[in-house]
Amino acid sequence: ETGVTQTPRHLVMGMTNKKSLKCEQHLGHNAMYWYKQSAKKPLELMFVYNFKEQTENNSVPSRFSPECPNSSHLFLHLHTLQPEDSALYLCASSQDQGNYGYTFGSGTRLTVV
Amino acid sequence: DAKTTQPTSMDCAEGRAANLPCNHSTISGNEYVYWYRQIHSQGPQYIIHGLKNNETNEMASLIITEDRKSSTLILPHATLRDTAVYYCIVRALSRQLTFGSGTQLTVLP
Repeated sequence: ETGVTQTPRHLVMGMTNKKSLKCEQHLGHNAMYWYKQSAKKPLELMFVYNFKEQTENNSVPSRFSPECPNSSHLFLHLHTLQPEDSALYLCASSQDQGNYGYTFGSGTRLTVV
Repeated sequence: DAKTTQPTSMDCAEGRAANLPCNHSTISGNEYVYWYRQIHSQGPQYIIHGLKNNETNEMASLIITEDRKSSTLILPHATLRDTAVYYCIVRALSRQLTFGSGTQLTVLP
C-alpha cells in the first residue's frame, strides 16, 4: 500500500452507463492528480487539484468530470464513455504542487464495452 | 520541461548492477532530474531525484554529469522484482510530472 487507495480496481461499463472512480489519501497531501494510461502509451495528466481547487485541465473531454470535495478525496465521474476511453486511470497526490514526490495509487483498470 | 531520451529496453543479470542512462541535453538550471518506475499494471513509484549532485538512497543511486546533460540511475544489485519500466523525468518544481515512454528493464535470472 502506498497510502493512496483507488477503488474499484477493475471496472467494466457500457457506453451509456454512469460510474465514478474514487481516490483517497491519508498522507496529509494537498495536491491530487488524475492520470490516464492507455495501452502502449505514456501516462497522460488529466486533472490537477491543489487545496481542493482545480488548477489544471489538460483538454479532457467533458464526459470525464472530476470532483474534489476535500484534500483527501478525489473522484472521477464517467458518463457516455467510448471504447477508446478504456485505460488504466491513476490517481496521485503530493504535499503541494511544487513538492518533489508524487505518490500514486494502484489504478483502476477501466474497460468500456 | 526539458525532453529526455532513454533506451527503449535493457536487460540485466540478477545480482548485477543495472545502469539506466538518460539524456536531457536541454535541461534548464531550475529543473530537477527525477526517476520513477512502474511495475506492470501498478502505479508509478518514486525512486530518487537530484539537481546537480549525485544522490543515493536505499533504492538506488543517481549520477548526474557535471554539465547536467545526462544522468544514470544505478540499481546496485538488481533482483527479479526490479523488472519494470523506468522513467527519467526532468521537471521544474512549478511544473507537473510528465511521463515519457521510459526504459523497460528486464532482470534475468
